[in-house]
Amino acid sequence: DAGVIQSPRHEVTEMGQEVTLRCKPISGHNSLFWYRQTMMRGLELLIYFNNNVPIDDSGMPEDRFSAKMPNASFSTLKIQPSEPRDSAVYFCASTTGGLNEQFFGPGTRLTVL
Amino acid sequence: AQRVTQPEKLLSVFKGAPVELKCNYSYSGSPELFWYVQYSRQRLQLLLRHISRESIKGFTADLNKGETSFHLKKPFAQEEDSAMYYCAPYSRGNNRLAFGKGNQVVVIP
Repeated sequence: DAGVIQSPRHEVTEMGQEVTLRCKPISGHNSLFWYRQTMMRGLELLIYFNNNVPIDDSGMPEDRFSAKMPNASFSTLKIQPSEPRDSAVYFCASTTGGLNEQFFGPGTRLTVL
Repeated sequence: AQRVTQPEKLLSVFKGAPVELKCNYSYSGSPELFWYVQYSRQRLQLLLRHISRESIKGFTADLNKGETSFHLKKPFAQEEDSAMYYCAPYSRGNNRLAFGKGNQVVVIP
């Protein structure tokens, strides 16, 4: 079992460019979460989905950020346009819900120059 | 406002010494509490949860509702305990985990 899969693992881009991060949750998990990790702010929840439906996007920093989950096996997080302050590690996690363990992907390290 | 606080960003301890990571929370209702850990070059993973009342890798955590704390403890630190530790209350109202800023633990040989 590969667990939660994220791509790319590393992304370096220039300010103003569009960035798309991808996530494949564990099969059978019906909740998916996007987090951002920085030294200053720790691990922040950006958005989460239940059964492919966005439930809480209050953590999405700005309109430049958007997330979709077109089906149970795929989700994207898009930043357009990207800015240097978006540089961080972005994690995707999935769970069967509620109090059950969240399983994290390896993360995408984003650097915006 | 709901909040979780991990006051010490970096904690260095010698091998064999006790280690304690503090976590205080401010949540309405009675949240469930978790500790997650991220070892170097590994994924963030669950370490332990309050409802299980278990000891994992020698770590325990006691929920003190009066002090709204869920401190993580281990009596004798090992080098392999060097990692980033996150306290995470689960709020039934929000139906999600909220992570603290994390504690970086460095165990000195």
